[in-house]
Amino acid sequence: EAGVTQSPTHLIKTRGQQATLRCSPISGHTSVYWYQQALGLGLQFLLWYDEGEERNRGNFPPRFSGRQFPNYSSELNVNALELEDSALYLCASSAGRTSVQETQYFGPGTRLLVL
Amino acid sequence: AQKITQTQPGMFVQEKEAVTLDCTYDTSDPSYGLFWYKQPSSGEMIFLIYQGSYDQQNATEGRYSLNFQKARKSANLVISASQLGDSAMYFCAMREKGYGNNRLAFGKGNQVVVIP
Repeated sequence: EAGVTQSPTHLIKTRGQQATLRCSPISGHTSVYWYQQALGLGLQFLLWYDEGEERNRGNFPPRFSGRQFPNYSSELNVNALELEDSALYLCASSAGRTSVQETQYFGPGTRLLVL
Repeated sequence: AQKITQTQPGMFVQEKEAVTLDCTYDTSDPSYGLFWYKQPSSGEMIFLIYQGSYDQQNATEGRYSLNFQKARKSANLVISASQLGDSAMYFCAMREKGYGNNRLAFGKGNQVVVIP
C-alpha cells in the first residue's frame, strides 16, 4: 500500500513569490494535515482538511492557505514568501475519525528554501 | 504553554543496548492519545507507537515499548536492542479529545545516535 506522497521534494523560491506544495494521502484516508518544521522551532500544526473542508488551522498568517480536492489530495499555498518560511513542510493523513487514537501517517516532506 | 516536553540532550547509545527517551506532557483533558515518531535524517516522520490515556497496559510494538505513568504525566519510550538504523530524532506527540482538535502537539525531539 502506498504511503503519503508529497511533491516537490525540494523547492527554492525568492522573497515575495508564491509556493505551492502538494500532498496525496494514503488510499482511504479522508483527512490531510499540514505541519511546518522550521529549524529550532519543532513541528507546528498548520492546517487540517477533511472531506474537502478546512476544519482547523494553527497560529499562522492568512498567507498560508490550502485546499483539499475531491480525491482527498491537498495543496498548501504560501503567498508573499518570507525568509522565515524556509522549513520542511510535512503532510500527514488519517482516516479522519475524531478519535484520540487516530494515527497520522506522514509523507517525506517538501523542503522549502526562501532566498 | 508547552504541552509536550522533551529535554534530554543528544544521546549516544551502544548498539544492542536499550535506551529510554523521556517525554512529559501537560493536559487537563481526561481523554488523550500519546504518540511517538521517529525522524531519520531523510525527514520523514515514522509512526512508532501509541498509548491512550485510558489504556490499562503499557503499549508495546516490537522493540518499542512505552513506559506510561499517568499520574506523573510521563510517557517514556524504551527502545530495546538498539540498532544502527535507530539513529534518528524521536518525537513525542499528544492529541487531545475534542471536535476540531485533530492536531498533534509535538515536543522538540530527542536526538539518538547508535554507535557500533
